[in-house]
Amino acid sequence: EPEVTQTPSHQVTQMGQEVILRCVPISNHLYFYWYRQILGQKVEFLVSFYNNEISEKSEIFDDQFSVERPDGSNFTLKIRSTKLEDSAMYFCASSREVTGADTQYFGPGTRLTVL
Amino acid sequence: SQQGEEDPQALSIQEGENATMNCSYKTSINNLQWYRQNSGRGLVHLILIRSNEREKHSGRLRVTLDTSKKSSSLLITASRAADTASYFCATDEIKAAGNKLTFGGGTRVLVKP
Repeated sequence: EPEVTQTPSHQVTQMGQEVILRCVPISNHLYFYWYRQILGQKVEFLVSFYNNEISEKSEIFDDQFSVERPDGSNFTLKIRSTKLEDSAMYFCASSREVTGADTQYFGPGTRLTVL
Repeated sequence: SQQGEEDPQALSIQEGENATMNCSYKTSINNLQWYRQNSGRGLVHLILIRSNEREKHSGRLRVTLDTSKKSSSLLITASRAADTASYFCATDEIKAAGNKLTFGGGTRVLVKP
């Protein structure tokens, strides 16, 4: 069964450094998402992406964040200058449609630790 | 309460018993999805119920949706130790662009062998 994959599984970085989290969505999906989950807290929406542009972004997704689909398979989340509070599990998700009745499939997550 | 709040926050049952958890939300939705998360792991999709559906089954899972009460329930029948996980509801709000999902805080389920 097709699945969303994410790399790396764990990323440790120093505060102020740039990180790129990578995702390979399910191949026939058109809609892509990033969510994050700070330890012990709710899963929070960051951004949705369709047709090579952002559909919606949350307040969390400030100028330090960017997303890109550099080729036909990868979907990346970049954090330009990491802060301690960016430490979280980051989940990528994809869906085939955005009709209001389509499942979002999540990857296994990348645990980001900012020191 | 916030959109997508689960109740109870934690549940401990014996293997073989049923586990029921509830989710309440505040806005009009397109659909409601339930996910499972094992400790520190990814989110596994369990079931999606559309706003015009009232009940849905998938294996040992039964989900109900009451849009008049803005609530949903997830029932796991004949629970197994492997069902031990956190369970989250997530709503896709009608007014939200981009198919954003809003998650609840989750119910931690412990199934004791």
